[in-house]
Amino acid sequence: RKEVEQDPGPFNVPEGATVAFNCTYSNSASQSFFWYRQDCRKEPKLLMSVYSSGNEDGRFTAQLNRASQYISLLIRDSKLSDSATYLCVVNTGTASKLTFGTGTRLQVTL
Amino acid sequence: GAVVSQHPSWVICKSGTSVKIECRSLDFQATTMFWYRQFPKQSLMLMATSNEGSKATYEQGVEKDKFLINHASLTLSTLTVTSAHPEDSSFYICSARATSGKREQYFGPGTRLTVT
Repeated sequence: RKEVEQDPGPFNVPEGATVAFNCTYSNSASQSFFWYRQDCRKEPKLLMSVYSSGNEDGRFTAQLNRASQYISLLIRDSKLSDSATYLCVVNTGTASKLTFGTGTRLQVTL
Repeated sequence: GAVVSQHPSWVICKSGTSVKIECRSLDFQATTMFWYRQFPKQSLMLMATSNEGSKATYEQGVEKDKFLINHASLTLSTLTVTSAHPEDSSFYICSARATSGKREQYFGPGTRLTVT
């Protein structure tokens, strides 16, 4: 079983739609959780950290369920510029090592 | 925000040659830097953790004699792919973690290596 699992997609949605991505992780000792965004042939960029209480940043909302070892990202009012691959990332706390999911590709269309 | 640079951004080399990739933290000091590799349509895989002034820690399955890492200063880590083969062709990305303040990792823009 992969340490971090994501639905690879692609998710094709029209502009203005709401889309949700899910992620599960296998290591119950994981301590920190993040969503990164990666554009084609570019490096990943931190989108937001994920906290147990859930957190929101503009159109983006992240949720964490430690009991289910499940992380989600909700994007409201999708923009064309949101088209990218969204990576679920987990830190197990060992020397800040990050484990990346394979990513979920989002394509927002007109 | 914090900036990490990598050089070169892309390189093509012949099989059997060695290639050195540099990773620099431009506006902060990084005790720890990480080297990742990403094959097409796959996720980033951590290759090794590079600590300033000490030996790098390699992940299982990564040959330390093939991927030489040197972290000689708080702003520079280098990865040398020795005796490169076509299967080493990949996107190599480094990240750096600041020694103080926010401890998040900042990623370099990546180096695309093609071995012919």
